[in-house]
Amino acid sequence: ETGVTQSPTHLIKTRGQQVTLRCSSQSGHNTVSWYQQALGQGPQFIFQYYREEENGRGNFPPRFSGLQFPNYSSELNVNALELDDSALYLCASTAGIVVNEQFFGPGTRLTVL
Amino acid sequence: AQSVTQPDIHITVSEGASLELRCNYSYGATPYLFWYVQSPGQGLQLLLKYFSGDTLVQGIKGFEAEFKRSQSSFNLRKPSVHWSDAAEYFCAVDTRNTGTAIKLTFGTGTRLQVTL
Repeated sequence: ETGVTQSPTHLIKTRGQQVTLRCSSQSGHNTVSWYQQALGQGPQFIFQYYREEENGRGNFPPRFSGLQFPNYSSELNVNALELDDSALYLCASTAGIVVNEQFFGPGTRLTVL
Repeated sequence: AQSVTQPDIHITVSEGASLELRCNYSYGATPYLFWYVQSPGQGLQLLLKYFSGDTLVQGIKGFEAEFKRSQSSFNLRKPSVHWSDAAEYFCAVDTRNTGTAIKLTFGTGTRLQVTL
């Protein structure tokens, strides 16, 4: 059984560009959540996808968007990148709504110059 | 508002000494509480979790935590710290809305340094 994987590991973009981050959930998990972790901070919830639908969103602007595919993998898209978007982006998967545990991936480090 | 406070930004202990990391939460309902550890450049690893029942929970790597409802606290402890425990530690509470899956609100973390 493979765990949560994320790609790429590191990414450097310039201000104004767009970026797509990818996450493969753990086998059998149909729910994916994305978190942003700025340097020196705890992770902050961006949004969650359950069965290909957005199922909750944190306090992030609309330029943060996502997708979930039929195989439950997910993408996080960020448009019009800003310097403050530089962070570690963590994906976590869960085996449904009732379950009380998330499994985190290793993260994607995004640097915006 | 739902929140988690970790009052200690940075703690230094000697190898072999005991450790206690503090966590206070603000949440209206019965909380589901978690402790995670993060090594530099890595993702989050779950140390332990509390949902209900016994207020003293055991986790991996010799860690334990005690839930105290009267103090809104969930402090993490370890009797004897090893050099490999040096990392960032995060306390979190599940703040999900009805009909959604688990959604974690994290504290700002405590960085643990271990001296030999």
